Order: sequence, then structure tokens, then C-alpha cells
Amino acid sequence: DQQVKQNSPSLSVQEGRISILNCDYTNSMFDYFLWYKKYPAEGPTFLISISSIKDKNEDGRFTVFLNKSAKHLSLHIVPSQPGDSAVYFCAASGGSQGNLIFGKGTKLSVKP
Amino acid sequence: NAGVTQTPKFRVLKTGQSMTLLCAQDMNHEYMYWYRQDPGMGLRLIHYSVGEGTTAKGEVPDGYNVSRLKKQNFLLGLESAAPSQTSVYFCASSPSGSYNEQFFGPGTRLTVL
Repeated sequence: DQQVKQNSPSLSVQEGRISILNCDYTNSMFDYFLWYKKYPAEGPTFLISISSIKDKNEDGRFTVFLNKSAKHLSLHIVPSQPGDSAVYFCAASGGSQGNLIFGKGTKLSVKP
Repeated sequence: NAGVTQTPKFRVLKTGQSMTLLCAQDMNHEYMYWYRQDPGMGLRLIHYSVGEGTTAKGEVPDGYNVSRLKKQNFLLGLESAAPSQTSVYFCASSPSGSYNEQFFGPGTRLTVL
């Protein structure tokens, strides 16, 4: 059973508008969450993270929100730019090894 | 700094052949990981290492072996390749385990015929 779920395979947004990518998890032992961005034929690159002791983390145009009671996190991109078009993976970890469990990804398309 | 590099970038194997994928990192990271990514799937952990000379199984270890003889290198071996191992393989490293991002290499696209 999937422990990290990204239920939207794709999302299309107009340039300048907000992109909201969602992620749900089932394991209450997860205490650190990350978002990665992946362009075709490249490796994933780290975008932003949040620990379970916080409910929000912001870095420039990117904000991650964590709702522990709902086991839900979301990534907000404001304003969206065409260069943000990529696949976004949500990942979660818990435990000392830091092993990451990834969702299946959401393909974001930002249209000019 | 090159970061995380992977060799080769592409490879085609026949069923039953063997090969080794090499991952190298120049960031002096303790932890290294091997993942595979299949179409429509997230990355799944094959094996990982928490330091030189150590290895451990991840989520999908069957059919793979690994070695970490030097801190900067992590090798992934396929002893007898199967079509089910056709995938894109990513290596990653991190300074330590918990509460750290992992840095990924560019990937190796492997096709097993």
C-alpha cells in the first residue's frame, strides 16, 4: 500500500497564477517531508522541506504547508512561471537512516 | 564540485548479462542510496549505505547487489539482468540520515532485452 500519495498525475496552470500540488501520507511516524522537482532526463533536485514540528515553510516563491492531523501537505508556487514546468515529487522520511518514501509525482505545466 | 555523477548514462543489456553501475560523489557525504524509477511511479529505494563498508536493503533489493568500498563510491550490480530491471536508476547522497536532503545524480537508463 502506498504510504505517500500524490493523487493528481498532472496539473495545468496559467503563468502568474498559483500552483498548488497536494500530497497525502499514511504513516504517522514520518517526521520530515520534502519536495523535489524533476526535469526530463535529469535527476530530481531538492526544492523545499518541512519538519513535523512546523506547519509552514517558505522559500521565495515556494511554500510548503503541513497539516499533521489530516496527514496532508501541499506545495504552493506563487507566481508560477513556465520554467516551473516539471514533475514534482513529494517524499517523506522517519527514522535515523533518513530513507525517503516518494509519491508517484505530479506533472506541472505552466502555460505562458 | 561535480556533485553526484553516474556511469554510464545509458546501457542496453541482454537477459542474463551482468553489469555494474557506478556512483561517485565529491561532497564527502556519509550516506548513499540507489533508487529505481519506473514509468508512472515514484522513486523506490533499492539499497543504501550509511558509511564506508556498510550496505543495507531498501524496498526493492531483489536481483541487485551493492558495495561501498570507498566513501565516495557506491556500486550497484546486476548479476543476471532481467527485463523487469529495465528502468532509470538514480544514485543519491546525503551528509547524514535524518532531516537532510538527498542530492541526486543524473540517472542511468538501463534497458534489458
